[in-house]
Amino acid sequence: DAKTTQPTSMDCAEGRAANLPCNHSTISGNEYVYWYRQIHSQGPQYIIHGLKNNETNEMASLIITEDRKSSTLILPHATLRDTAVYYCIVRVLTSTDSWGKLQFGAGTQVVVTP
Amino acid sequence: DTGVSQDPRHKITKRGQNVTFRCDPISEHNRLYWYRQTLGQGPEFLTYFQNEAQLEKSRLLSDRFSAERPKGSFSTLEIQRTEQGDSAMYLCASSLEAGYSRFGPGTRLTVT
Repeated sequence: DAKTTQPTSMDCAEGRAANLPCNHSTISGNEYVYWYRQIHSQGPQYIIHGLKNNETNEMASLIITEDRKSSTLILPHATLRDTAVYYCIVRVLTSTDSWGKLQFGAGTQVVVTP
Repeated sequence: DTGVSQDPRHKITKRGQNVTFRCDPISEHNRLYWYRQTLGQGPEFLTYFQNEAQLEKSRLLSDRFSAERPKGSFSTLEIQRTEQGDSAMYLCASSLEAGYSRFGPGTRLTVT
């Protein structure tokens, strides 16, 4: 699976949009971009995933550049409960034995402040 | 659904003792994964089951580690002769074949 690069940390004001960047310059055509987050002392929580089109759900929006070498996770109105480590992961979505295995990096520590 | 559950949530053991953790996946999920997470790092893949078959093991899983999923439902992860380096959060996740992974709350192991 392709490696990703994320900033180590970022701060965001409560109520503002949080834009989390991720670089995945070696991504292959059949690799999806996944985002998870992990609130302190909890298991990771799925947020969103996409292949090449932008995606939106009740939690966030995912913007993938046209060349697919980078993406941005957008939390539209950050709350204090969004303080967490956010992981950007790229992986192949196939039916092989390793399907579903996730390779986490260090992620971005996001702190939402009042 | 009730989500993925793990038991115990915390375990303190002395070096050299054996420990066993349990994971109950979401009932209809046929895939189950174990991960390990040390402080300040992202989770690392350990092993994966499809139904009762263990299909992949990471090289991180030394011969002191064993995992089972006997009836394709719950799974256990056993660590024999624990070492201080085994101190970590052990996470379980499950998924359908065509779905994203859902994680449990984890079991925090402290080896003294």
